[in-house]
Amino acid sequence: DAKTTQPPSMDCAEGRAANLPCNHSTISGNEYVYWYRQIHSQGPQYIIHGLKNNETNEMASLIITEDRKSSTLILPHATLRDTAVYYCIVRVEGDSNYQLIWGAGTKLIIKP
Amino acid sequence: KAGVTQTPRYLIKTRGQQVTLSCSPISGHRSVSWYQQTPGQGLQFLFEYFSETQRNKGNFPGRFSGRQFSNSRSEMNVSTLELGDSALYLCASSPGQGVLPQHFGDGTRLSIL
Repeated sequence: DAKTTQPPSMDCAEGRAANLPCNHSTISGNEYVYWYRQIHSQGPQYIIHGLKNNETNEMASLIITEDRKSSTLILPHATLRDTAVYYCIVRVEGDSNYQLIWGAGTKLIIKP
Repeated sequence: KAGVTQTPRYLIKTRGQQVTLSCSPISGHRSVSWYQQTPGQGLQFLFEYFSETQRNKGNFPGRFSGRQFSNSRSEMNVSTLELGDSALYLCASSPGQGVLPQHFGDGTRLSIL
């Protein structure tokens, strides 16, 4: 099964870019990488996803290495409200269904 | 557009009882998935419903069951509650079976005494 590895915690200064790494070295060619975040007492919030090309939306940018074994989520100008647990997730296709493999995530703390 | 709505937000039960949790998906979304989140195990997939049929299932005992109605609303039932069932139960909806990304509600916090 493709699985993800993330650092358990990171700090970032307010206003700076937060770069969150994720290792998914066993990912298959057609498996997408998804990023969610979970703010305390709320459900996970979708951020962005990608297959092989870099992606950008209003929330973040996703950089995927050429070999697809790792990716980085970039929050360009972190604010205190970005403090959350960030999950890097891979969708694994089975014979007749699929699974989303959720890891422990990275607890990102934005400091003033 | 309203998001995913889960009720109730908090629930306290005792061992041996049963509980039913409710989820209303985003309008137009026809797939509903349920997850259990605990500090020790993280987010674990329970099951996915689409067109009133269970389409995908995680590795949970038969005490955990669900159903989906014709309006795509879903309920999850847990029977013979155990202390280990204390968790945040999350519902996520998406436009179709297996279609990602899913959008989550804020969950039901279930505490077993």
